[in-house]
Amino acid sequence: GAVVSQHPSWVICKSGTSVKIECRSLDFQATTMFWYRQFPKQSLMLMATSNEGSKATYEQGVEKDKFLINHASLTLSTLTVTSAHPEDSSFYICSARDRGTPAYEQYFGPGTRLTVT
Amino acid sequence: GQSLEQPSEVTAVEGAIVQINCTYQTSGFYGLSWYQQHDGGAPTFLSYNALDGLEETGRFSSFLSRSDSYGYLLLQELQMKDSASYFCAALSGNTPLVFGKGTRLSVIA
Repeated sequence: GAVVSQHPSWVICKSGTSVKIECRSLDFQATTMFWYRQFPKQSLMLMATSNEGSKATYEQGVEKDKFLINHASLTLSTLTVTSAHPEDSSFYICSARDRGTPAYEQYFGPGTRLTVT
Repeated sequence: GQSLEQPSEVTAVEGAIVQINCTYQTSGFYGLSWYQQHDGGAPTFLSYNALDGLEETGRFSSFLSRSDSYGYLLLQELQMKDSASYFCAALSGNTPLVFGKGTRLSVIA
């Protein structure tokens, strides 16, 4: 149980275009989802927290107009990178938990590798 | 702010024991989690300590000392498949988990 999927697993896009990444909880209701960014051999940097049906809470320094997060249902959250630039190239990982999951435990998706050319 | 420090890399021999340390500075600290991440994969939850002492789960154990703001992950009977990055993560107040920078463990024959 507690499986989280992400789609696509990798994507290459041209500079200036937008890319949408989906995060789905397959066998539980994700009341809270988190979006992280990870650079090679570095830590998970929290970008935003989203609760189902409400606006995402962005971490300091994360541009909310550039990284659009939607958590419209209990099983799906999307991250849209708008007007992508090469510096947005990174590994994006989502995680989720439901109401019964302790706050110290999150279920992570397999990540999406974004390359902006 | 909140910060966690852990060594960037550790190398150990197959069959041996290795300890990965983590020191933290947080306000409203609740507890310390550990996650494992293989290259290109998803982090997976290993353990959580809210109280001082050692928690054992099979070959993996995790320790916490709240007075020293310190914890460690202990891996015994190392196997090649244990080669991965290990992250400590602090739970504080109503904020999401804050992760350390990760320790890359290489298990060699």
